[in-house]
Amino acid sequence: QKEVEQNSGPLSVPEGAIASLNCTYSDRGSQSFFWYRQYSGKSPELIMSIYSNGDKEDGRFTAQLNKASQYVSLLIRDSQPSDSATYLCAAILTGGGNKLTFGTGTQLKVEL
Amino acid sequence: NAGVMQNPRHLVRRRGQEARLRCSPMKGHSHVYWYRQLPEEGLKFMVYLQKENIIDESGMPKERFSAEFPKEGPSILRIQQVVRGDSAAYFCASSPGQGWGTEAFFGQGTRLTVV
Repeated sequence: QKEVEQNSGPLSVPEGAIASLNCTYSDRGSQSFFWYRQYSGKSPELIMSIYSNGDKEDGRFTAQLNKASQYVSLLIRDSQPSDSATYLCAAILTGGGNKLTFGTGTQLKVEL
Repeated sequence: NAGVMQNPRHLVRRRGQEARLRCSPMKGHSHVYWYRQLPEEGLKFMVYLQKENIIDESGMPKERFSAEFPKEGPSILRIQQVVRGDSAAYFCASSPGQGWGTEAFFGQGTRLTVV
């Protein structure tokens, strides 16, 4: 089982819709979770961090964490073509020496 | 406050040469990660360092690759006797500490091409 798992996509949504990106992790003791956005040919950019169960909102982005289900998600409201990128889920795995571990990423395409 | 600085941005090496990739963390950050990314693939963890200490090198190939983060100066990822398969983007990220709640920020990456 991969330590941090994401569906590779691509996920296609129409402009203005809500994009929902999902991630599961294997280490039940993990406490810190992050979403990064990576445009093609660029470096990853941190967009959200979440540490507690529930929702955390920042502008059009909402991160959701459910530790009991070992599940993290990212919702993007009013999706724009500029949101088209690969979204990387990451976790600090307590069983892995506290290193930041990434999923393989989900490619999001927002269509006009 | 400058972000994470990597240099060079692009590096071309012939097979058998050495490649040295540098990463200067953000001010106040004492931890550095190195990742490798092949085109259309995810980030592959290589090594996690603290100043003067390697925390986790489980992702580093056993041969030809080494990393350091001295007390003064940037972190260095060194690849000896490069081969074509080493061609990739190498990213470093820095964080202020270790464990819960520590956010990591990435540099722009070094694109290594082995010819």
